[in-house]
Amino acid sequence: NAGVTQTPKFRILKIGQSMTLQCAQDMNHNYMYWYRQDPGMGLKLIYYSVGAGITDKGEVPNGYNVSRSTTEDFPLRLELAAPSQTSVYFCASSSTKTGEYNEQFFGPGTRLTVL
Amino acid sequence: KQEVTQIPAALSVPEGENLVLNCSFTDSAIYNLQWFRQDPGKGLTSLLLIQSSQREQTSGRLNASLDKSSGRSTLYIAASQPGDSATYLCAVRSMDSNYQLIWGAGTKLIIKP
Repeated sequence: NAGVTQTPKFRILKIGQSMTLQCAQDMNHNYMYWYRQDPGMGLKLIYYSVGAGITDKGEVPNGYNVSRSTTEDFPLRLELAAPSQTSVYFCASSSTKTGEYNEQFFGPGTRLTVL
Repeated sequence: KQEVTQIPAALSVPEGENLVLNCSFTDSAIYNLQWFRQDPGKGLTSLLLIQSSQREQTSGRLNASLDKSSGRSTLYIAASQPGDSATYLCAVRSMDSNYQLIWGAGTKLIIKP
């Protein structure tokens, strides 16, 4: 099993550009999450999904969009990139709601810099 | 609003020592608490998950305790090794936060050979 995979690993964007961060999991998990981690800080939830076709906002959703057309894939879209979106982005999945007996599994992260 | 704090932010100890990492949270109404390890340039690895009804969990040289009433958890690492060097994060599943984990900023641990 590959677990949770993310692409790309690194990316530099110019202000105003758009991009999509890819995330896929092969564990047949219903729940998927996108987090961002700023330097010296804990992770903050951007968006989450409880199954194909269902998504909802987390703590810091502004400037991002997501879709969930399949169980496996959960891409994160950045529109009009801003320097404040410079961060490391982590995708995660779990088989039940966060923390209800089951753990979350994380991808390796995407380091994004917006200049 | 739930807040999670980890002190110290960084810790450096000689190899072989036993050590304790601390995590505190402000609201005791939690489902569980989870400890993660983060290596540079890599994702997060779950180490231990403690349910709110449990007092501790053990995995190998790691032991995590939970005192929900005082809002504290500790991660005990026995006989530390250089390979234990990493950032350790704790996160709580709070009853008032729909779906999300609330994270501490982490403790960066360096084990000196």
